[in-house]
Amino acid sequence: EDKVVQSPLSLVVHEGDTVTLNCSYEVTNFRSLLWYKQEKKAPTFLFMLTSSGIEKKSGRLSSILDKKELFSILNITATQTGDSAIYLCAVDRDNYGQNFVFGPGTRLSVLP
Amino acid sequence: DTAVSQTPKYLVTQMGNDKSIKCEQNLGHDTMYWYKQDSKKFLKIMFSYNNKELIINETVPNRFSPKSPDKAHLNLHINSLELGDSAVYFCASSQVAGGRGYYGYTFGSGTRLTVV
Repeated sequence: EDKVVQSPLSLVVHEGDTVTLNCSYEVTNFRSLLWYKQEKKAPTFLFMLTSSGIEKKSGRLSSILDKKELFSILNITATQTGDSAIYLCAVDRDNYGQNFVFGPGTRLSVLP
Repeated sequence: DTAVSQTPKYLVTQMGNDKSIKCEQNLGHDTMYWYKQDSKKFLKIMFSYNNKELIINETVPNRFSPKSPDKAHLNLHINSLELGDSAVYFCASSQVAGGRGYYGYTFGSGTRLTVV
């Protein structure tokens, strides 16, 4: 059965720290991997990764995909309290009727 | 065994048709949601129900109507489908954990709707 695993499930850091969130997957017909920041109403889209080794960056956030080892990491540097959220990893599958598999999320708490 | 289950997973239909997407969760969560994923992968909330009561109703065309027969089900009915309705629709559920306000979301696998 296809699955997406995220680690850690919960993380508490202080402002200014750098964090690395992990997402590993076992899916058939991988198409892309997406990262979302879960906020109160709706997840905010962060990155979509389709190719190995190409780092995507947006401000203090960056992400990279390794399709050989089947994982992705999301890095957040110089964390701020506003980064506190649940970070979701989801894998899109390129197969009729299979669609997305979401990981359980990593709950990040950034303390002042 | 599936926690949040959506059906159908894949739907191709003609403009003007009426269709429904069903969602069921067996987690005992008290809140359910419908999201639309746009072509840029952004997720936009459409509706949210808590214990069968509508609590979020974002600006969506009134051709979209949610129905929650019980807290384990939230269905989405779409009338007079238009080309712009083509998207992936996600159902999700959540439960507040204790008094900490922690929202643990569980997503369904999505329904890919294509209107032709």
